[in-house]
Amino acid sequence: SYVLTQPPSVSVAPGETARITCGGDNFETTSVHWHQQMPGQAPILVLFYDSDRPSGIPERFSGSKSGNTATLTITTVEAGDEADYYCQVWDSSSDHWVFGGGTRLTVL
Amino acid sequence: QVHLVESGGGLVKPGESLRLSCVASGFTFSSHFMNWVRQAPGKGLEWVAYITGRGSTIYYADSVKGRFTVSRDNAKNSLYLQMNTLRAEDTAIYFCARGFTSSSIIDHWGQGTLVTVSS
Repeated sequence: SYVLTQPPSVSVAPGETARITCGGDNFETTSVHWHQQMPGQAPILVLFYDSDRPSGIPERFSGSKSGNTATLTITTVEAGDEADYYCQVWDSSSDHWVFGGGTRLTVL
Repeated sequence: QVHLVESGGGLVKPGESLRLSCVASGFTFSSHFMNWVRQAPGKGLEWVAYITGRGSTIYYADSVKGRFTVSRDNAKNSLYLQMNTLRAEDTAIYFCARGFTSSSIIDHWGQGTLVTVSS
């Protein structure tokens, strides 16, 4: 089955840049979407189609993709960005959505 | 404003059934794909199923295929998940999640309803 690999945790100081990676296969032909989940809350979509931001998501959130790795970048990190981040991809070989295991972003 | 409210969760025994509901408001429900996604306690997100706007296409995760059935009633702005033969590993918060009009990419999530399967 299709697997998306994320680091379990990333830590950054306030004001620094956080980079959260998501590894998978066939990223050249599929789009990656990212969701943020604050503790005890429902997730929210922060990026879609690799790098598009829904309305209301700050420009500090951006996305990129290179080879088989997608990256969510958060610049000028704030305490309020502390959350779990999940990447999501459509696996066309199985007609399934797949989520990465999630990355806990800690703001030091 | 998009609003998704799930209900129907609770405590059931292994082998029993449960039906979850999700009532949508703030958008044209029939135009959107809809998803169910679950999250076991302390774990990550797991996609469960999606259904197209008219209900003509449905996909399920392997872990629930044959046991769970997703459906919708566009006249009632409602999405359902019929869960049969429940197992302990189905214990999770179940989220209703709206997809785009053109695909099942999730753009809004409900707050979830907790399903606990335990003897």
